Amino acid sequence: EAQVTQNPRYLITVTGKKLTVTCSQNMNHEYMSWYRQDPGLGLRQIYYSMNVEVTDKGDVPEGYKVSRKEKRNFPLILESPSPNQTSLYFCASSLGTAAVTDTQYFGPGTRLTVL
Amino acid sequence: AQSVTQLGSHVSVSEGALVLLRCNYSSSVPPYLFWYVQYPNQGLQLLLKYTSAATLVKGINGFEAEFKKSETSFHLTKPSAHMSDAAEYFCAVSESDSWGKLQFGAGTQVVVTP
Repeated sequence: EAQVTQNPRYLITVTGKKLTVTCSQNMNHEYMSWYRQDPGLGLRQIYYSMNVEVTDKGDVPEGYKVSRKEKRNFPLILESPSPNQTSLYFCASSLGTAAVTDTQYFGPGTRLTVL
Repeated sequence: AQSVTQLGSHVSVSEGALVLLRCNYSSSVPPYLFWYVQYPNQGLQLLLKYTSAATLVKGINGFEAEFKKSETSFHLTKPSAHMSDAAEYFCAVSESDSWGKLQFGAGTQVVVTP
């Protein structure tokens, strides 16, 4: 089954404690990206990756890191989380082409609370 | 930089009536444009995308959108609303002529009334 998995689904942590949210896809997709969703602010892209070892900043990259060492995985790293990073996070992947049939698959989301 | 404006943060439509969600963009390059949907307490889905091929794009669940360069618009429509269309809809534009950095609109909440 084609899917994007994220772990953990829920996380409560404290300020400054490093954490990683994992994202993995099983579709051999080139393009992967991370988004955060906040009430009143909608969706904002954090980072994206066009291919292995190719990552670039989205709209709100501050306080986040990513890596793309292999095609299937695109972890989101918060080196020193702060309360303003409390949010709902989504990972997504697609082939990254113009093809009509190329759609984007989303993970189920990770709800992060930083105290 | 590219930007997206969605007109109307809330839209109420009667069941069976036309659904029209407005999206205007600014872009310095031929854009990729996207519509996403988020059903209540669920994740995100890509409804459709425009990638400079046909200007009328058909998506899932009976939705379609028309790219109008002269109006810098990419409005989403569905001829007949169903109760299951109640959701939040987001328009997005790519900052290049491909997938890449995406800018999202603020979203439009659609309520469908019987």
